[in-house]
Amino acid sequence: EPEVTQTPSHQVTQMGQEVILRCVPISNHLYFYWYRQILGQKVEFLVSFYNNEISEKSEIFDDQFSVERPDGSNFTLKIRSTKLEDSAMYFCASNPRAVLGEAFFGQGTRLTVV
Amino acid sequence: KQEVTQIPAALSVPEGENLVLNCSFTDSAIYNLQWFRQDPGKGLTSLLLIQSSQREQTSGRLNASLDKSSGRSTLYIAASQPGDSATYLCAVSPNMLTFGGGTRLMVKP
Repeated sequence: EPEVTQTPSHQVTQMGQEVILRCVPISNHLYFYWYRQILGQKVEFLVSFYNNEISEKSEIFDDQFSVERPDGSNFTLKIRSTKLEDSAMYFCASNPRAVLGEAFFGQGTRLTVV
Repeated sequence: KQEVTQIPAALSVPEGENLVLNCSFTDSAIYNLQWFRQDPGKGLTSLLLIQSSQREQTSGRLNASLDKSSGRSTLYIAASQPGDSATYLCAVSPNMLTFGGGTRLMVKP
């Protein structure tokens, strides 16, 4: 069964460093998303991406964050200068049809900023 | 701004019981409601998707209903098993998903 794949599963980084989280969405899906879940809190929307551009972003998704689809398969989230409060589980999701479609999530990348 | 609430926050039941998890949302202008399962430290597994024009969806022992006008959904789990122990999340869209806080379910053998 097709699935969303995320790498790495766990990343530890020092405060101020740049990190890139990687995702391979399901191959025939057109809409891509990043969400995060701080420990003990709700899953929060960060950004949605369609047709090689950001379609929506939340207040959390500030200038420190960027997304890219560098080739036909990968979808990345970059955090330029990590802060302690960026520590969270980051989930990538993809959806074949946006508003009416079913979202499929990856297993997540646990980011720990020390 | 859409707010999604799930009650109860935690639930512990003996194996074999039928149970109901509740989800409520404040803005009825949704396209979909999706139920997920999350195991500790793991990703989100989609269980059921209900589109706004639908009233319910069934998958195996799971049945989800949607009452859009009242802003409510329920997830019914029949004949619960220890393997059902997990956190259950509901989320509503258009486009991006707004999540509830989840119900942490423990099914005891």
